[in-house]
Amino acid sequence: AQSVTQLGSHVSVSEGALVLLRCNYSSSVPPYLFWYVQYPNQGLQLLLKYTTGATLVKGINGFEAEFKKSETSFHLTKPSAHMSDAAEYFCAVSEGDSSYKLIFGSGTRLLVRP
Amino acid sequence: DAGITQSPRHKVTETGTPVTLRCHQTENHRYMYWYRQDPGHGLRLIHYSYGVKDTDKGEVSDGYSVSRSKTEDFLLTLESATSSQTSVYFCAISFGLAENTGELFFGEGSRLTVL
Repeated sequence: AQSVTQLGSHVSVSEGALVLLRCNYSSSVPPYLFWYVQYPNQGLQLLLKYTTGATLVKGINGFEAEFKKSETSFHLTKPSAHMSDAAEYFCAVSEGDSSYKLIFGSGTRLLVRP
Repeated sequence: DAGITQSPRHKVTETGTPVTLRCHQTENHRYMYWYRQDPGHGLRLIHYSYGVKDTDKGEVSDGYSVSRSKTEDFLLTLESATSSQTSVYFCAISFGLAENTGELFFGEGSRLTVL
């Protein structure tokens, strides 16, 4: 079974600093990979996804992630954090079968200090 | 906006009582999912549906059942609620033109407390 590991349940950065949220996955086949964001008391919103093609994918709000097959990683980055980026971020992988189920990591809460 | 609503949004119940959560979509998507969200666990799949009357189990299906008698509604039932089922429940549907990429759109969640 596939699994997703997010390193760090909490990450704190200063406003304007680089954001780096780590995600590693286990998969025996090429996966589909996703990052979702959850703001307080809301559902999850898709930030970006990787399916095939270019390994560097860009998402909303200035976020991007790079698929590195050799490292089984899909880390999320943003060059300059904004206060509005404070939220919880989830990495997810599709099992790749016809059910299109997503397996989620345990989440990383991003805190942005003024 | 994919037009997905969950009801009720908040519910407090007692151990041993049945509970049904409803997910309603207006977009005619084939795939629907129920997840639960708990601190330190992220989201875990309970059940999913790939069509009317077609459902299957996820990784944490024990104690839950589902039904889908029409495309737009996916019901999650706790036959006899336990305190371990206190959680936030999210319904999701497949989203966008390509349903086969696993991209999901989520409802706003239903917070269930079992006393």
